[in-house]
Amino acid sequence: AQSVAQPEDQVNVAEGNPLTVKCTYSVSGNPYLFWYVQYPNRGLQFLLKYITGDNLVKGSYGFEAEFNKSQTSFHLKKPSALVSDSALYFCAVRDSFNTDKLIFGTGTRLQVFP
Amino acid sequence: EAEVAQSPRYKITEKSQAVAFWCDPISGHATLYWYRQILGQGPELLVQFQDESVVDDSQLPKDRFSAERLKGVDSTLKIQPAELGDSAMYLCASSLATVSRSGYTFGSGTRLTVV
Repeated sequence: AQSVAQPEDQVNVAEGNPLTVKCTYSVSGNPYLFWYVQYPNRGLQFLLKYITGDNLVKGSYGFEAEFNKSQTSFHLKKPSALVSDSALYFCAVRDSFNTDKLIFGTGTRLQVFP
Repeated sequence: EAEVAQSPRYKITEKSQAVAFWCDPISGHATLYWYRQILGQGPELLVQFQDESVVDDSQLPKDRFSAERLKGVDSTLKIQPAELGDSAMYLCASSLATVSRSGYTFGSGTRLTVV
């Protein structure tokens, strides 16, 4: 079955430190992977995607993600966290059967402390 | 920047009552999606439209949920009768092309509380 796992419900990091939000996936065929961010009582905003090419993908707001095929992972990273990065982060994979459908993980709450 | 409009932002309804949500996608976006996000979970697709046609409604509880997109522009999602377990955020999204090319643009959602 196709799925996305985000093993951490919450990640805490001090402002200025690097952050990593973990994601692993299971999908048939080549994975199309996405990261979205959600602020309180708002919809999801697109951060970045991996379709093909370089394993390191750069996105919005200084975020990047590293695709690792052997570990079936797509971890979100940022070299220096900001308090304003505090939000809920969702990893998603494109469904292999309905290629316009995204399958989302359960989300990871990122808390950046001043 | 163009946005996906949703209304209402918040809705409280009693169980067994009917409730409806409205979505206006970005102009020109042919594909429209309704996702449900239960607290503590990721969004799950309820229904997908291509223009006015339903492409995927496999996860839509059809005994109580209905969705339409007349004229292929705005869309309405209805629940009748509402149940306590329907309390969730209902998100509308639209896309210009395939998700792998253009991704989705989400609206701000309608938070439904059934009491």
